[in-house]
Amino acid sequence: QQPVQSPQAVILREGEDAVINCSSSKALYSVHWYRQKHGEAPVFLMILLKGGEQKGHEKISASFNEKKQQSSLYLTASQLSYSGTYFCGTAAGGTSYGKLTFGQGTILTVHP
Amino acid sequence: NAGVTQTPKFRVLKTGQSMTLLCAQDMNHEYMYWYRQDPGMGLRLIHYSVGEGTTAKGEVPDGYNVSRLKKQNFLLGLESAAPSQTSVYFCASSYSSRTEAFFGQGTRLTVV
Repeated sequence: QQPVQSPQAVILREGEDAVINCSSSKALYSVHWYRQKHGEAPVFLMILLKGGEQKGHEKISASFNEKKQQSSLYLTASQLSYSGTYFCGTAAGGTSYGKLTFGQGTILTVHP
Repeated sequence: NAGVTQTPKFRVLKTGQSMTLLCAQDMNHEYMYWYRQDPGMGLRLIHYSVGEGTTAKGEVPDGYNVSRLKKQNFLLGLESAAPSQTSVYFCASSYSSRTEAFFGQGTRLTVV
């Protein structure tokens, strides 16, 4: 089952902040975040492996709440280059070991 | 470094025809994945493999078959193509589901 992302779309002006949420109905083994530009392949941003983990990538960071089976991606002081579709991917253990499923994506548009 | 290479990049099929998409990776990755991407649906997992000789079903496996006879290659087959299989197909590979996944450039398939 695919994780659920919200919101589906975000429109920002340069310098504004955004939060993208990702939730799953299953226990999570890891959470991945990717960004895809139009006509290109998804590109890796970061991965979170443990509950409570937070990671940063310049002005993009993420958190992982293992108990709630949720992750959030934080984009601060957005730049035009942040525009694209953001995907969260979740990996589960047990009988689904190795299975990496992605959400439906969040379209982020940054205007000057 | 080639990374993940998909062949072909574009293909037009007639309904009922068969074809095989090839994914090759040169990073010695154990895990390989096939996804399809349709507008508003995100990346949906078709099949995946956690090692040479193993395959497993993803979220949307119907109408597709796969094989992983060699560690570096993951083949996706369509036995009898249908218009509903018109999509962009992405292959990805990783060391595990807890490490970065690398994506190929995609194959745009149109079934008429």
